Amino acid sequence: ETGVTQTPRHLVMGMTNKKSLKCEQHLGHNAMYWYKQSAKKPLELMFVYSLEERVENNSVPSRFSPECPNSSHLFLHLHTLQPEDSALYLCASSQERVSSYEQYFGPGTRLTVT
Amino acid sequence: DQQVKQNSPSLSVQEGRISILNCDYTNSMFDYFLWYKKYPAEGPTFLISISSIKDKNEDGRFTVFLNKSAKHLSLHIVPSQPGDSAVYFCAAKGLQGGSEKLVFGKGTKLTVNP
Repeated sequence: ETGVTQTPRHLVMGMTNKKSLKCEQHLGHNAMYWYKQSAKKPLELMFVYSLEERVENNSVPSRFSPECPNSSHLFLHLHTLQPEDSALYLCASSQERVSSYEQYFGPGTRLTVT
Repeated sequence: DQQVKQNSPSLSVQEGRISILNCDYTNSMFDYFLWYKKYPAEGPTFLISISSIKDKNEDGRFTVFLNKSAKHLSLHIVPSQPGDSAVYFCAAKGLQGGSEKLVFGKGTKLTVNP
C-alpha cells in the first residue's frame, strides 16, 4: 500500500460510545496531522505530531484524544462525542524541514454522531 | 477570523476554456502557498505551490499567480477538462503559536461542463 490510509471510512456512533480512528502513512514522513472538516467550513487543524511527539493541540475538547505510537501510525480516540462533532476527519503527513511543506492526505473518515 | 478566504463557493466553466480560482489572505507573514484538489470521498491532493518570493509558478495546465501587495493568489487551469471538476482549496503556510502550520480556505467547487 502507498500513501496515507485511514480506517474506517465511515463511522456512526452514539454519544456514549468509545471508538478510534486509525491512520497509517507509507511515505516515510516524520510529521502527522489530524484535521476536521465540517460542512461549509475550512479544514481545521486539530493535532500535530512531529517525530512522534505532540507539538500542537488547537484547543480541541478532551473528548478527542490522539495517540502516535510511531512515525507511521496515528490514532484519534473518541468518547462521549456530541452531534456537532459529526464531520469528515482527515489525517495527513509531511516531511518536516523541507521547503515545500506539502502535506499528503488520507481519504478521511466520515463520522456521524447520533 | 478567517485568514485565508475563497469568496466563490462555486465556479462553472466550459471544457477547453480557462478556469480561474481566487484566494485572498490577510496575514502578511505567510511565506508559502499551496493549492489542493479534492474529489468526493477522497482526501485533498496537492496540486501546485508557490513561494512568497515568486509571483508565478507553472506546471502543465496549472499556473499559480501571487500578488503579495494585494495579498491575493489565483490558480489558472487552461484548458479546463471535465476531470478537473472538484473542490479546490487554497492553503497558506505560516508561523502560528510557535509552529509552522497550514491555514486553509473553505474551498471552491469547480464544475467543468463538456
